[in-house]
Amino acid sequence: AQSVSQHNHHVILSEAASLELGCNYSYGGTVNLFWYVQYPGQHLQLLLKYFSGDPLVKGIKGFEAEFIKSKFSFNLRKPSVQWSDTAEYFCAVNDFFPLNNAGNMLTFGGGTRLMVKP
Amino acid sequence: GAVVSQHPSWVICKSGTSVKIECRSLDFQATTMFWYRQFPKQSLMLMATSNEGSKATYEQGVEKDKFLINHASLTLSTLTVTSAHPEDSSFYICSARPRGRAGELFFGEGSRLTVL
Repeated sequence: AQSVSQHNHHVILSEAASLELGCNYSYGGTVNLFWYVQYPGQHLQLLLKYFSGDPLVKGIKGFEAEFIKSKFSFNLRKPSVQWSDTAEYFCAVNDFFPLNNAGNMLTFGGGTRLMVKP
Repeated sequence: GAVVSQHPSWVICKSGTSVKIECRSLDFQATTMFWYRQFPKQSLMLMATSNEGSKATYEQGVEKDKFLINHASLTLSTLTVTSAHPEDSSFYICSARPRGRAGELFFGEGSRLTVL
């Protein structure tokens, strides 16, 4: 079964610092990759997604992620964080392994809590 | 964008009672909806996959008789927590996949259940 690892559970940064959150997945077949964000008291929102094509994906609010197939990774980056980026970030993988309901199931990483100090 | 709404967003109930949570796709049809459970400071754990017009598919370890899922229409799935106990207290989240948009899910706001 697919598993997703987010290595940083808690990250504290000052405003304007650069951010990189790690995400690795286990199954090496065809995958779709996602980063979701959950702001305090709000529901999950999609930040960005990778289906195919350019492995460097641009998302909303200045976030980007790079898919490196050889490393089974999809790290999230932002050059300069803001206080408003304080949230929990989840990496998710949707693979097409036959047992996983025809590719409809998302497997989530454990999440990374980001706190940005003003 | 696609909107998924959950109701209620917060519910408190007594132990032994049943609670129904609704998940609606407001502006699209969803042949498949997913129910997740999120424990404090943990990630989302998939409970079951709800398919319109057929029985839900439950993940290993999830009691199907306790967590009843019904997907009666292309825009509505319900999760009923039967005979709830304090250990069922959690944050329940649904998601839905728009028809024809493989792999992309839209999430509801979540429903926080507290069982006294």
